[in-house]
Amino acid sequence: DTAVSQTPKYLVTQMGNDKSIKCEQNLGHDTMYWYKQDSKKFLKIMFSYNNKELIINETVPNRFSPKSPDKAHLNLHINSLELGDSAVYFCASSQDRGLSYEQYFGPGTRLTVT
Amino acid sequence: GENVEQHPSTLSVQEGDSAVIKCTYSDSASNYFPWYKQELGKRPQLIIDIRSNVGEKKDQRIAVTLNKTAKHFSLHITETQPEDSAVYFCAISGTASKLTFGTGTRLQVTL
Repeated sequence: DTAVSQTPKYLVTQMGNDKSIKCEQNLGHDTMYWYKQDSKKFLKIMFSYNNKELIINETVPNRFSPKSPDKAHLNLHINSLELGDSAVYFCASSQDRGLSYEQYFGPGTRLTVT
Repeated sequence: GENVEQHPSTLSVQEGDSAVIKCTYSDSASNYFPWYKQELGKRPQLIIDIRSNVGEKKDQRIAVTLNKTAKHFSLHITETQPEDSAVYFCAISGTASKLTFGTGTRLQVTL
């Protein structure tokens, strides 16, 4: 299937732990993103990478560190997890070429910090 | 910076009626205006988009209108069906790589 995939789908962990979420897209897109969707459904961009280079870095605690080993992968590592980090994290990708700016979202990772 | 307000936050309509969701923005450099639909527990998906050189775009039962002077754009859904029930997000972009999303509208279509 051509798509944006994320692992894991669910992540339950305790405060203070470090965890990672992985994202892969096989659409051949140049740009990838991480979004955070909180309990009120607000969808906010965190990071964006274009061809492995960071191009958007919103006001996000530096406990969050994205890593893009190649343009098909964008992982998110979170250190010292806090209760407020509980949310659904969506990865997305886009081609940003010609007339198409559509962002394709992954299925989301529901992170619960206890 | 980019800011987008979306109204209403919840909308309930009867099946067959029309639904309208409005967004206003402040950054006059915004030139791309997509709408995303997110069903319960699912990922957001693009349903329609419009660029600043176009005033209206239609795709079957959904349409988007843009008023660049007034800095607002709207999503119109006609002949609503139960499967239209979802959260709808407007978004704006001045560059293709960054979308700023509205706060979402939960649409409920009742039988």
